[in-house]
Amino acid sequence: DADVTQTPRNRITKTGKRIMLECSQTKGHDRMYWYRQDPGLGLRLIYYSFDVKDINKGEISDGYSVSRQAQAKFSLSLESAIPNQTALYFCATSDPGTGGRNEQFFGPGTRLTVL
Amino acid sequence: GENVEQHPSTLSVQEGDSAVIKCTYSDSASNYFPWYKQELGKGPQLIIDIRSNVGEKKDQRIAVTLNKTAKHFSLHITETQPEDSAVYFCAARKGASGGSYIPTFGRGTSLIVHP
Repeated sequence: DADVTQTPRNRITKTGKRIMLECSQTKGHDRMYWYRQDPGLGLRLIYYSFDVKDINKGEISDGYSVSRQAQAKFSLSLESAIPNQTALYFCATSDPGTGGRNEQFFGPGTRLTVL
Repeated sequence: GENVEQHPSTLSVQEGDSAVIKCTYSDSASNYFPWYKQELGKGPQLIIDIRSNVGEKKDQRIAVTLNKTAKHFSLHITETQPEDSAVYFCAARKGASGGSYIPTFGRGTSLIVHP
């Protein structure tokens, strides 16, 4: 199932480097999200976008920025990577739909290591 | 904001046994409680959900229960199989007026089913 794709799948970089993680979706959803997963900390929301002109900070946005280039594309940038940004990053999409279920459809994840 | 606590962090069972994962939430305005399953190397996927007007919901070997008064909900898996081994996340979410349908996730439970 390639409805939500993320590139790259793995990335190793050095402290201070600028990194961009990309997400594309073919589900036709307006809503897109970036989450970070750390062992024992679960899924934490970094940024979300409800349409192309809408960008909102999540609970842990410091050190990150995003760009919504089109309905189908949502990129996450680390302007100057630091080791504690080493984590598994997930992009997700959703459509509130009737009744507001707003099921999150996750991509396969990008494993980022900052040395 | 909403706070979701999830226990245990790790659960190890023998094939055929039952498994129970428990979550509590803090915001009484939350009205929708999804559960996601994350298999190794993949993004989380919705497996079952429950709304606040329902006390229990079943889908084959999995069931969810909700106690609104105590603000806790649980996932029950019966007759566990090795393919049930995964990380499970609970989540809680308010309606559009309270939070735009964005879920708050628990920290996850790693379920290991031994053959």
